[in-house]
Amino acid sequence: GAVVSQHPSRVICKSGTSVKIECRSLDFQATTMFWYRQFPKQSLMLMATSNEGSKATYEQGVEKDKFLINHASLTLSTLTVTSAHPEDSSFYICSARDPGQVIYSNQPQHFGDGTRLSIL
Amino acid sequence: SQQGEEDPQALSIQEGENATMNCSYKTSINNLQWYRQNSGRGLVHLILIRSNEREKHSGRLRVTLDTSKKSSSLLITASRAADTASYFCATVLNSWGKLQFGAGTQVVVTP
Repeated sequence: GAVVSQHPSRVICKSGTSVKIECRSLDFQATTMFWYRQFPKQSLMLMATSNEGSKATYEQGVEKDKFLINHASLTLSTLTVTSAHPEDSSFYICSARDPGQVIYSNQPQHFGDGTRLSIL
Repeated sequence: SQQGEEDPQALSIQEGENATMNCSYKTSINNLQWYRQNSGRGLVHLILIRSNEREKHSGRLRVTLDTSKKSSSLLITASRAADTASYFCATVLNSWGKLQFGAGTQVVVTP
């Protein structure tokens, strides 16, 4: 089945550091990927939709200059948290649409295992 | 309140018992999806039910959908300790497959 790999699984760094998180589709091409943020014991909040070869679409309230998304190939999307601060500490998860489907809304998504970001 | 609200927020049962959780949504849907999340991990797709379906089964899972009430339920029968996880319903918001998740139900199954 379709597999999405997310790396790294955990990051601990100092305030002011920029952190890059990678999301790869391992055995399929993903023209669209999604980035979510999740706080403890809460649901997933969509941050942005990442489309290969074009600019990401950010949800309302998400700072695009803070959370840089690059989807340069059909198998890789990256999220860079720039100048991270303690309030950016969270669990970040990516997902990709099921490949090869015409009606995208009728298919499940495949999720990475998430990245736990802790800013000291 | 957000699309895809769920209840209960938490559920604690013993092995062998059934677990039922409910999800309500606000807009019209094409389908509704259920996902599972183990602690500290990503989500795993469990089952998708289309708007023209009323009930769907997959192993020990049974999902119902009532579009007139804009609600769905997930039943896990004969629960096991390994079923301990958070369960989320999700609706699709656009043609690109953008999902809106419910608040989730945290299920704890004790041996």
